[in-house]
Amino acid sequence: GENVEQHPSTLSVQEGDSAVIKCTYSDSASNYFPWYKQELGKGPQLIIDIRSNVGEKKDQRIAVTLNKTAKHFSLHITETQPEDSAVYFCARGSNYKLTFGKGTLLTVNP
Amino acid sequence: GAVVSQHPSRVICKSGTSVKIECRSLDFQATTMFWYRQFPKQSLMLMATSNEGSKATYEQGVEKDKFLINHASLTLSTLTVTSAHPEDSSFYICSARGATSGSADTQYFGPGTRLTVL
Repeated sequence: GENVEQHPSTLSVQEGDSAVIKCTYSDSASNYFPWYKQELGKGPQLIIDIRSNVGEKKDQRIAVTLNKTAKHFSLHITETQPEDSAVYFCARGSNYKLTFGKGTLLTVNP
Repeated sequence: GAVVSQHPSRVICKSGTSVKIECRSLDFQATTMFWYRQFPKQSLMLMATSNEGSKATYEQGVEKDKFLINHASLTLSTLTVTSAHPEDSSFYICSARGATSGSADTQYFGPGTRLTVL
């Protein structure tokens, strides 16, 4: 599979601010784009996902946008809280297999 | 719903021994299970894809004779690291898809197993 580029690698925000993480991919066959949150020493937890026939999806403070033409998708977290601090991974899916980005360490400062 | 468990959560073994890790889908029947490996501060790398009753499909560069996968039922897959060496020390994570709560693509992950080979 082809790589997924994820930026930034680290992100520090003040509590209450918004956080945005971006990913790009090159494989046109990709049709599924999940985001996972991983806390230290734990397995990844699915927080939101989007399929290629949808441009945007929102779940409370979390939203994902997808631009399939440009091959990029983004995670938006609003009103960040200290408990949002973790490593966030984007992934692209094709034929039920996932390829992950390298992760973003998000730190929310109280 | 869509809970995946792994056992053990951590294991320490001597070089040359074999270690078995179990992955279970607790409240759904998994169409497919996946095994990943994650080194410290790195991303998840897919090792193999496993379907119940059939041989696992390994990713390029993963030794199938070293990482034995058995998928005996729709809720259980096992990964056996044979003749483990210190370079096999890593965080091994399984995932499963097939839960009705998500889409057909949705993978739910287990909590991971920390393997340390002395």
